[in-house]
Amino acid sequence: EAQVTQNPRYLITVTGKKLTVTCSQNMNHEYMSWYRQDPGLGLRQIYYSMNVEVTDKGDVPEGYKVSRKEKRNFPLILESPSPNQTSLYFCASSLMSSYNSPLHFGNGTRLTVT
Amino acid sequence: QKEVEQNSGPLSVPEGAIASLNCTYSDRGSQSFFWYRQYSGKSPELIMFIYSNGDKEDGRFTAQLNKASQYVSLLIRDSQPSDSATYLCAVTGGYQKVTFGTGTKLQVIP
Repeated sequence: EAQVTQNPRYLITVTGKKLTVTCSQNMNHEYMSWYRQDPGLGLRQIYYSMNVEVTDKGDVPEGYKVSRKEKRNFPLILESPSPNQTSLYFCASSLMSSYNSPLHFGNGTRLTVT
Repeated sequence: QKEVEQNSGPLSVPEGAIASLNCTYSDRGSQSFFWYRQYSGKSPELIMFIYSNGDKEDGRFTAQLNKASQYVSLLIRDSQPSDSATYLCAVTGGYQKVTFGTGTKLQVIP
């Protein structure tokens, strides 16, 4: 089954404790992206990647890191989480070959930083 | 000015009626336009996309695009309670950057 898999689904952590949210897709998509979703603010892009070893900042990159060492994986790293990073996070992927390629989303990770 | 604007709603329509959801965008170079449906606590799922001016129909859904007015809409005919969700408008521009609106919450009243 074609899918984007995120883990974990729920994560509660404390300020400053490094964490990684994993994302993997099995559709051979070149494009992968991370979003956070907050009430009233919608989906905001954190980082995106157009291919292996190619990453770039989205609209809200501060406090986050990413890497793209393999085509299928795009982990999101919070080196020193803070309470303002409490949010619902989505990983998504799509083909690069066409502007009409829709995004395929993972099931989301609800992160709480205390 | 937000890049992609939607009325947050809620938009309430009776069961069986037509729901009309609207979206405006600011980048005239935008290439493609998507509508996603998102149930509470779930991930967005694609309903349909459109990239040419005019109407595109898929079952009970019709997307309408007017590039001159920078306006895209989604019509849902014969609305059902299961259509109650938040509808996200997404616009693709250069380098396939996708910008989302904040979404319109639709409530279909039985």
